[in-house]
Amino acid sequence: DVKVTQSSRYLVKRTGEKVFLECVQDMDHENMFWYRQDPGLGLRLIYFSYDVKMKEKGDIPEGYSVSREKKERFSLILESASTNQTSMYLCASVGDRGTSYEQYFGPGTRLTVT
Amino acid sequence: AQSVSQHNHHVILSEAASLELGCNYSYGGTVNLFWYVQYPGQHLQLLLKYFSGDPLVKGIKGFEAEFIKSKFSFNLRKPSVQWSDTAEYFCAVTLPYSSASKIIFGSGTRLSIRP
Repeated sequence: DVKVTQSSRYLVKRTGEKVFLECVQDMDHENMFWYRQDPGLGLRLIYFSYDVKMKEKGDIPEGYSVSREKKERFSLILESASTNQTSMYLCASVGDRGTSYEQYFGPGTRLTVT
Repeated sequence: AQSVSQHNHHVILSEAASLELGCNYSYGGTVNLFWYVQYPGQHLQLLLKYFSGDPLVKGIKGFEAEFIKSKFSFNLRKPSVQWSDTAEYFCAVTLPYSSASKIIFGSGTRLSIRP
């Protein structure tokens, strides 16, 4: 079974703090993704990475950055957290293009910025 | 821009009722299609997927979906729902153009089943 784990299930941070969300997958997948999930908006892609040290902006990258130093780990960084970044953050991974493209999701981190 | 539309935001049914959740996408080329489900407090998990072949796809827990290319649709169905089907359902499409397997998700449909 593919396992995608996220460092925290719940996180409360103050406005202006720097926030790190960590994601680790154990299936040697090339591609990893960060989404945020908000009611009525579905999943919106923040950033994705198709290889170590490679990243591409998704649909809503503003206010976020990412880091992929190792294949199994993909970090999402909020440089200066704001209240509009209160959301559920989901990490996902998927294998090479020759595979089924099924994304495997982590349990999510519910971030509250006060 | 490519998009996925789920027109039903919240569906409420009684147990044993039949279910159909709509999904339409706006891309004219080859697509891979998915339905994901998120039960309360749980991970998003794959319900079923379509890549090619038979346009009627069977998934887990009695769900099925039909790909109708001419209508750009991939509707999810279940003949008789149970209370345990209460969840949020997401339709998704992958586009075979980038170096990563980017998936576009619909906004989701919340399904509530009355016991």
